[in-house]
Amino acid sequence: QQQVKQSPQSLIVQKGGISIINCAYENTAFDYFPWYQQFPGKGPALLIAIRPDVSEKKEGRFTISFNKSAKQFSLHIMDSQPGDSATYFCAASIGSADDKIIFGKGTRLHILP
Amino acid sequence: DAGITQSPRHKVTETGTPVTLRCHQTENHRYMYWYRQDPGHGLRLIHYSYGVKDTDKGEVSDGYSVSRSKTEDFLLTLESATSSQTSVYFCAISEGTGRYGYTFGSGTRLTVV
Repeated sequence: QQQVKQSPQSLIVQKGGISIINCAYENTAFDYFPWYQQFPGKGPALLIAIRPDVSEKKEGRFTISFNKSAKQFSLHIMDSQPGDSATYFCAASIGSADDKIIFGKGTRLHILP
Repeated sequence: DAGITQSPRHKVTETGTPVTLRCHQTENHRYMYWYRQDPGHGLRLIHYSYGVKDTDKGEVSDGYSVSRSKTEDFLLTLESATSSQTSVYFCAISEGTGRYGYTFGSGTRLTVV
């Protein structure tokens, strides 16, 4: 119930296309859903995050869509660029004292030039 | 990564030897975490700390110990390294609980031969 399931494991998209990464969770106590971006040789970095009282959040070409009833959320990268090639992790956390982030297993995204 | 440094960046060690990885932060954050990253497994929490001398286990703590004698330093020790501990190790820090995001270090690539 503490898991966050992420798909696909890897994704190849043409330059200019839309990249979509999906995540699902079971624990309805999760109330914060961040996405992390990791370039080769670097640590993950916070990209964008959403709370369940919002159905969508957009920052530039990156959009999180959130479906509370389905317990699913997704990252959309519009007009995907080769520089977006990276590993993406979805995550979730609960607002409690022992408040660690639970990460999905990651998606390796490759944007073809 | 600003405010967090991991050392060494790369290490090759022999099976059965003890190994210590260091994480140093200049942000004065309370929370510090050690993760390992392996293909197909994503980021898995090894140990974390919520203050000086306050530590707890994560999901893959067997074979690892940690210490935090100062706010700025969090050490991860592999008591007797095994080939299954070959991995990339990341340290992360957070100002409060993890719900507001982690800052990751650049990682330590450890190879056990």
